[in-house]
Amino acid sequence: DSGVTQTPKHLITATGQRVTLRCSPRSGDLSVYWYQQSLDQGLQFLIQYYNGEERAKGNILERFSAQQFPDLHSELNLSSLELGDSALYFCASRQGDGYTFGSGTRLTVV
Amino acid sequence: GQNIDQPTEMTATEGAIVQINCTYQTSGFNGLFWYQQHAGEAPTFLSYNVLDGLEEKGRFSSFLSRSKGYSYLLLKELQMKDSASYLCAVNRDDKIIFGKGTRLHILP
Repeated sequence: DSGVTQTPKHLITATGQRVTLRCSPRSGDLSVYWYQQSLDQGLQFLIQYYNGEERAKGNILERFSAQQFPDLHSELNLSSLELGDSALYFCASRQGDGYTFGSGTRLTVV
Repeated sequence: GQNIDQPTEMTATEGAIVQINCTYQTSGFNGLFWYQQHAGEAPTFLSYNVLDGLEEKGRFSSFLSRSKGYSYLLLKELQMKDSASYLCAVNRDDKIIFGKGTRLHILP
């Protein structure tokens, strides 16, 4: 157990729908990073939050949004889902130079 | 912008040594990570190089040359469980940017 918790582990939904992925960082970590990993792509950085505020944005689509709550857990919202959004979604938290990843959410859009 | 290149696939034999190379071009470089990722699982940390040189950790070693934008991961005494993808990643401006990874196949 890495200490970074992601739920759910698997999600199957239809095109056009909206889903929410949840991440709780390790105790004491203030940063949350979201990544998307498709079959033919590497880990793509989506967005970073630090202590409730957005810090950096990567290749995140406008249909996607995220937030970090006062208890430091984060949610990634994916809307108007398309087949191409099927991927593994990882979050990571950071303490110093150490980045630890959660076990991921596998999203399948049908 | 940034560009991180590593071979897509490599094959090696159990008990042998393999070197996985990574070249990068990026601004705001703070350090270079190597992660291991088994299929469908989370990446797990292997090494982090900030300064030039070789860092050894058991069967795994990582090398960095900042002036050349070059790193390698050296795996010794390969075991079947080392079959995985190895991700080179640059620590840039407080976030990690990953290469596409090198899939390593180990033959018995």
